Amino acid sequence: IAGITQAPTSQILAAGRRMTLRCTQDMRHNAMYWYRQDLGLGLRLIHYSNTAGTTGKGEVPDGYSVSRANTDDFPLTLASAVPSQTSVYFCASSDDGGAQDTQYFGPGTRLTVL
Amino acid sequence: GQNIDQPTEMTATEGAIVQINCTYQTSGFNGLFWYQQHAGEAPTFLSYNVLDGLEEKGRFSSFLSRSKGYSYLLLKELQMKDSASYLCAVKDSNYQLIWGAGTKLIIKP
Repeated sequence: IAGITQAPTSQILAAGRRMTLRCTQDMRHNAMYWYRQDLGLGLRLIHYSNTAGTTGKGEVPDGYSVSRANTDDFPLTLASAVPSQTSVYFCASSDDGGAQDTQYFGPGTRLTVL
Repeated sequence: GQNIDQPTEMTATEGAIVQINCTYQTSGFNGLFWYQQHAGEAPTFLSYNVLDGLEEKGRFSSFLSRSKGYSYLLLKELQMKDSASYLCAVKDSNYQLIWGAGTKLIIKP
């Protein structure tokens, strides 16, 4: 059982380029999330999806978009990367997004925008 | 605004006990989570508290006081592998997790 996989592991990107970070889970979880983690700050929610076909904005959605065409995949797209988007990106999933629901994290993608 | 506070860094000795505190102010409360994160790795779930009191799970225990907006994670019989960051997170009224910046725990022999 792989759990959650993310690709790529790391990436260096020129500013202005488009980039899609991939996330796939095999736990049949309904809810999925994208976070960014920056030094000295807590994880910040970018976008989430409570079920296939629906998405919502988190705390820091500007410059990012997501889609949820099926249960397993939740790609995050940076339409035109900027240096402030340099960060470690974590995808997570959970059963149903409820109160006691535990989120499980993928290994992360380290993105550098130059 | 919503806020989670925890110490930036703590140091402890192998075999000892350490308590990592977390205070929170959030819009609503649907439980408090503790995660462990080793350097360069993903956060992994440690504990969940929604009612006041102590939850014990092996060497790790977590305490919650909702009236005080306070939690702590207690680690006993510290091992070198416990060197990691410990993240406190509260699920708010929208069922979204609000995260603290994490406490880096350094274990010395």
